[in-house]
Amino acid sequence: EVQLVESGGGLVQPGRSLKLSCAASGFTFSNYYMAWVRQAPKKGLEWVATISTSGSRTYYPDSVKGRFTISRDNAKSSLYLQMNSLKSEDTATYYCARRVQLRHFDYWGQGVMVTVSS
Amino acid sequence: DIQMTQSPSFLSASVGDRVTINCKASQNINKYLDWYQQKLGEAPKLLIYNTNSLHTGIPSRFSGSGSGTDFTLTISSLQPEDVATYFCLQHNSGNTFGAGTKLELK
Repeated sequence: EVQLVESGGGLVQPGRSLKLSCAASGFTFSNYYMAWVRQAPKKGLEWVATISTSGSRTYYPDSVKGRFTISRDNAKSSLYLQMNSLKSEDTATYYCARRVQLRHFDYWGQGVMVTVSS
Repeated sequence: DIQMTQSPSFLSASVGDRVTINCKASQNINKYLDWYQQKLGEAPKLLIYNTNSLHTGIPSRFSGSGSGTDFTLTISSLQPEDVATYFCLQHNSGNTFGAGTKLELK
């Protein structure tokens, strides 16, 4: 069974940093692209980042480019999201998702809440 | 950037009804359109990928159709457990989600 478990969320002040983690199990982690998707309170979904199987290629929307960094450790079956220079509009639930190449997100974690507020 | 217009925003239907939800892309996205279901307090779940391919374990009452710019999710016979918000996603160029359709029972 595919399992994705996020951690590392919490309350952080504007301008500070936070690092999210996602522990994967139930599949061969190194064979899959992975991604982060977020959802602001009572809002829709927004793709945040995607990483290739080896980690050599990363992709971001303009809203987070230069501030967020996605990375992975295939030996630990773990995915990460380093978030710097956080803004109030980054407040959201962040989901870790397995991705089929650069296409659909076929499995999702339960999400972790990040609140950016002073 | 490609914009996705999803309709309706809210839908009320009875058990057994045929339900359709639409997504319109601002430009041609070929077949690269998915549908996700999100129940209250839960993570999204993939239903349909690449317009009409049913994800593993998804009931056959869910189906997808369309091409180019216009796409439809159909639930052939609504069940109580289908109460949820449904989102479309295009991944032909970048990644854009629709705003969502909240489906409730009448």
